[in-house]
Order: sequence, then structure tokens, then C-alpha cells
Amino acid sequence: GQNIDQPTEMTATEGAIVQINCTYQTSGFNGLFWYQQHAGEAPTFLSYNVLDGLEEKGRFSSFLSRSKGYSYLLLKELQMKDSASYLCAVMDSNYQLIWGAGTKLIIKP
Amino acid sequence: GAVVSQHPSRVICKSGTSVKIECRSLDFQATTMFWYRQFPKKSLMLMATSNEGSKATYEQGVEKDKFLINHASLTLSTLTVTSAHPEDSSFYICSARTSDYEQYFGPGTRLTVT
Repeated sequence: GQNIDQPTEMTATEGAIVQINCTYQTSGFNGLFWYQQHAGEAPTFLSYNVLDGLEEKGRFSSFLSRSKGYSYLLLKELQMKDSASYLCAVMDSNYQLIWGAGTKLIIKP
Repeated sequence: GAVVSQHPSRVICKSGTSVKIECRSLDFQATTMFWYRQFPKKSLMLMATSNEGSKATYEQGVEKDKFLINHASLTLSTLTVTSAHPEDSSFYICSARTSDYEQYFGPGTRLTVT
């Protein structure tokens, strides 16, 4: 079966760095996405990785290792507004997104 | 980035009535759109995949006669919840896929059935 695993909840301090991990087992792989979702709102696109390595975009970076079925989202210089759920999703061989359950990130001052 | 709109953002309806939700890709053409349902504190649940000009593909357990999907053009898909009941109350979110297979979400529609 297809499976995406990510931690349910994480807590970090304002100004610090946090890494949210995602492991996956899917039928085929056509890329991995990270989305941010604030409570009561729809998800917003953060990043897309299809090749191994680190993609940096401002305070957010995303890493992929296809051989290990592993990705992480790295958030630097955390701000209170970063408190949200972070969803990992993998595009399978049919170009469908398989979703993780999301990681709720709590930022404390 | 690509923009997807959804209308209405909130709707309250009485039990037994039908509600239509529109999803539009504003600055790109989307041959494929997706409809999701999200319960409080839960992840997204894919309901159906909508392809322009053809019948939607429903996920297991989703009643196709209750959740009618029409993808009439490359920029518009509609979801109609027929004979709505209180258990249909939820947050419905659409997304549209670009030609590069990136997926962008609409802002969502909160449906409350009384």
C-alpha cells in the first residue's frame, strides 16, 4: 500500500530552526510537495522536489532523498505566523497526490 | 503563482436542499481538478478527480449521485452536494493542476447544513 509518515505535532521556539521529516512508500514517484495550512484555511504551496538534494527558498528549505524515501522541510528564523500544519504529499506514478496526515507546528515565544 | 478561486466561501443551507460550489483556475488552464473534503483537525480526503470533458473519477466510499461533479471547461469545475444533510457539513476544497503537475488550492468552502 501507499504510505506517508510525518510527526503529528512539533513545538519550537520563535527565532529557532525546526525540521519536519516525511517518509514515504508509494507506487511510483513523480515528486514530493510541501504545503502549509493555517487553521480554517486551504493549503498553500511551499515547495516541490523531484531530484535529490536541498532546495532553498528564503527561510524555508526542502530536502529529498529518493533512495531513502525521505524528505524534510526546514524552517529557519521561526516566526509566530509559522504556526500551522505542514502537509507532505507525494505524486505517484498516476500523477495523483498521496497525502500525509500533516504535522502541527506550535511556535512558542 | 497560479491562482484558484472558489465560490462561495461560506454557505449555510437547510437539510434536503442542494448546494453548488464553483472552482475556477484564474490564470491557467487546468485539465484536471480535484475535490477534497476536510474534517476538523484531519488531513485532506480526496473525494474525486475531475477531468475536463469527461466523467469524474470518485474515490472509494464517495457517493457519485450525492456529490455531482461537472468539469465543463478548462477553467471551471463545479461540485453539487445534492439533498444535503447535517453530516455533509464540512470544509470543501478544490485544487487545480497545472501542465507541470503542480497543484494549487482554492480557498475552500465551508458548508453548514442545518
